[in-house]
Amino acid sequence: DAGVTQSPTHLIKTRGQQVTLRCSPKSGHDTVSWYQQALGQGPQFIFQYYEEEERQRGNFPDRFSGHQFPNYSSELNVNALLLGDSALYLCASSTRTSGRGPQETQYFGPGTRLLVL
Amino acid sequence: GENVEQHPSTLSVQEGDSAVIKCTYSDSASNYFPWYKQELGKRPQLIIDIRSNVGEKKDQRIAVTLNKTAKHFSLHITETQPEDSAVYFCAASRRPGYSTLTFGKGTMLLVSP
Repeated sequence: DAGVTQSPTHLIKTRGQQVTLRCSPKSGHDTVSWYQQALGQGPQFIFQYYEEEERQRGNFPDRFSGHQFPNYSSELNVNALLLGDSALYLCASSTRTSGRGPQETQYFGPGTRLLVL
Repeated sequence: GENVEQHPSTLSVQEGDSAVIKCTYSDSASNYFPWYKQELGKRPQLIIDIRSNVGEKKDQRIAVTLNKTAKHFSLHITETQPEDSAVYFCAASRRPGYSTLTFGKGTMLLVSP
């Protein structure tokens, strides 16, 4: 049973560039949430995707966007990178119980460490 | 929105001692409280969780307690071992249908042999 996977593991970009991070959810899961974890901090919620639509969004600017594909995998895109975007980006997957929304338990992927120079 | 406060930020114990980490939350609608362990360079791993209809839950050396009236919950680790050394995060989530997790800032636990 495959767990949550993410790619790439590490990435170095320069200010102003754009980046795309990828996530494949745990087998049987259909909901993907993205979090940003700055060094020494707890994860901060970016947004959540279910049925290929953004369902919830945290306090992040429009430079952060995403997508979910029919196979439930997801992408996180960040445009016009800033130095402050350097962080570990975590994808978490969960499964939605019909009519009740995602189950609360989320399983995290290994993360993508992004460094913006 | 929800705000989760976590204390202490660092905790050093001797092997075999107990460790307690405390969290408070602000949103009275939160009803799910997981705890994650994150080792250096690794992903957060769920170690235990509790829902609002339960006051305490145990899993071997780990236990979590919840006081909904006071809006605080705690992680208890007994007979600590060096491999328990890691950063521990508490989190809170609202009623079913919302799985957004709001995390505390983490506690670095160091267990010395």
